[in-house]
Amino acid sequence: DVKVTQSSRYLVKRTGEKVFLECVQDMDHENMFWYRQDPGLGLRLIYFSYDVKMKEKGDIPEGYSVSREKKERFSLILESASTNQTSMYLCASSPGGAGEKLFFGSGTQLSVL
Amino acid sequence: QKEVEQNSGPLSVPEGAIASLNCTYSDRGSQSFFWYRQYSGKSPELIMFIYSNGDKEDGRFTAQLNKASQYVSLLIRDSQPSDSATYLCAVNFGNEKLTFGTGTRLTIIP
Repeated sequence: DVKVTQSSRYLVKRTGEKVFLECVQDMDHENMFWYRQDPGLGLRLIYFSYDVKMKEKGDIPEGYSVSREKKERFSLILESASTNQTSMYLCASSPGGAGEKLFFGSGTQLSVL
Repeated sequence: QKEVEQNSGPLSVPEGAIASLNCTYSDRGSQSFFWYRQYSGKSPELIMFIYSNGDKEDGRFTAQLNKASQYVSLLIRDSQPSDSATYLCAVNFGNEKLTFGTGTRLTIIP
């Protein structure tokens, strides 16, 4: 089974803090994605990556950055957390091809106070 | 802006009946279509995908695609209480990523 592991299930941070969300997959997938999920807005793509050291902006990249130094690890960075970044963050990976058949991690519920 | 639309529900269906979930999308050139199931407090999991017009069956699930009318649906036969979840429709618009609808919440009534 594909396993996508997110480092924290719940996080509480203060406004202005730098926040790192980590994601690791164990199936040698090429593609990795970061989404956020908010009630009534569904899943929205923040950033994605097709290869090590490569990244592409999704639909809502503002206020976020990413890092992919190794194939299995994809990190989401909130440079200066704000209250409107309180959300459920979901990491996903896929084996290749156009972002299909996503396998999701269990999610990180981030609260920014 | 490429869009995927779903009725948010909730949709209530008696146990044993057929649940019908619908999704429309904005781009006629879209190539691939997915249904994900998300239980409350859990992450989405893929249950069906379809690429060609027509029906695709997998157990109690049938995905139906009509590219001319730009809709994709999911039928769940013999609905069970364990099918109660939010169902997310996702479309690949050919731009190397998936766009999700906001989901339909389905409740199966025993």
